[in-house]
Amino acid sequence: DAKTTQPNSMESNEEEPVHLPCNHSTISGTDYIHWYRQLPSQGPEYVIHGLTSNVNNRMASLAIAEDRKSSTLILHRATLRDAAVYYCILLGSGNTGKLIFGQGTTLQVKP
Amino acid sequence: ETGVTQTPRHLVMGMTNKKSLKCEQHLGHNAMYWYKQSAKKPLELMFVYSLEERVENNSVPSRFSPECPNSSHLFLHLHTLQPEDSALYLCASSQDPTGHAPAYGYTFGSGTRLTVV
Repeated sequence: DAKTTQPNSMESNEEEPVHLPCNHSTISGTDYIHWYRQLPSQGPEYVIHGLTSNVNNRMASLAIAEDRKSSTLILHRATLRDAAVYYCILLGSGNTGKLIFGQGTTLQVKP
Repeated sequence: ETGVTQTPRHLVMGMTNKKSLKCEQHLGHNAMYWYKQSAKKPLELMFVYSLEERVENNSVPSRFSPECPNSSHLFLHLHTLQPEDSALYLCASSQDPTGHAPAYGYTFGSGTRLTVV
């Protein structure tokens, strides 16, 4: 399975943008890039996903490098409620749809 | 309300007890999953059900027994557990029953916090 690499932790100030990086140099052509986040004492929450083009939704934006070997989750204005563990996961068509979690990035948001 | 409901939220059980965790989804999804999250560890995929049929069992001990009677309900039956089985057990569902359409996201429940004493 293709793996991802994320920083263990990041800090941000409230109301500032946050860019969470993810490297996936062994990504295959059919792998989708998924992002989830897990708030304390809750289950993971879907954030966004994409294949090749940049994606936007009400929660965040996903910027995908042209070679697809890296991506960045962008939170446009961090709030205290965005403090969570963020997971970047590759989901391919050949892995029976398994969502396999790594350690993720723990985001701290300072007021 | 996430669309995936897990009960109970908290469970304390002795090592000789038998208990069951319940998961219910009303999203029309066709695949359901059990994950385990131990303290300070990544989520571990335990079981995968696709169209009510178990398609994956990730070397989970037999003291964990899943059941999927229909596409909306998933159970995890527990018996003779060990203290190291204490963890957060999460249920998830997705729209893709085949695992060949990775464009679909997963919806997770809030989990059952299990403590084995």
